[in-house]
Amino acid sequence: GAVVSQHPSRVICKSGTSVKIECRSLDFQATTMFWYRQFPKQSLMLMATSNEGSKATYEQGVEKDKFLINHASLTLSTLTVTSAHPEDSSFYICSASRRDQGEKLFFGSGTQLSVL
Amino acid sequence: GESVGLHLPTLSVQEGDNSIINCAYSNSASDYFIWYKQESGKGPQFIIDIRSNMDKRQGQRVTVLLNKTVKHLSLQIAATQPGDSAVYFCAESGGSYIPTFGRGTSLIVHP
Repeated sequence: GAVVSQHPSRVICKSGTSVKIECRSLDFQATTMFWYRQFPKQSLMLMATSNEGSKATYEQGVEKDKFLINHASLTLSTLTVTSAHPEDSSFYICSASRRDQGEKLFFGSGTQLSVL
Repeated sequence: GESVGLHLPTLSVQEGDNSIINCAYSNSASDYFIWYKQESGKGPQFIIDIRSNMDKRQGQRVTVLLNKTVKHLSLQIAATQPGDSAVYFCAESGGSYIPTFGRGTSLIVHP
């Protein structure tokens, strides 16, 4: 199978600090990585799509300067929530696709961010 | 897919019963559909997929049915078990390789 590792699983931070979330594909090279945000009892909202070595494509309404995405290699993408505020508190999930599996996504375990 | 932001509908079943979870999709150009299972506090897991050239596909205890005429997708779970309790999402893809997720259904299995 394809394993996607996401860290940390839970983070609590003070308002104004920045938080970095890592997403790694452990046993495959990810063609594309996706970042989602999920509120309680709601669906996944796509935030951005990133390809290795190129700038991320953000969905409408997602602030690029607030949610910095770096995709430095075929196995690692990071999401940095800059100057976090309580309204940024949410469950963030990454996923990756692999070339030989088309549109099938492999998800990380998610990161619960709580901003005090 | 369904509108994002609406609260999840819930399906309650007894252990051992069959469950049917429905999903309506909106893009007639979608040609690939996936069902995911998400347990509380975890990321979604792939369950089963189907391409638009098929109308039925079976896996272990699960069956996906696709009705392109009415743009409807369903997931049938046979002999539902407590471990099946989770939120189930359908996702559609129309060639952009960026799946769109439906709003999900919360399945509660009572022992």
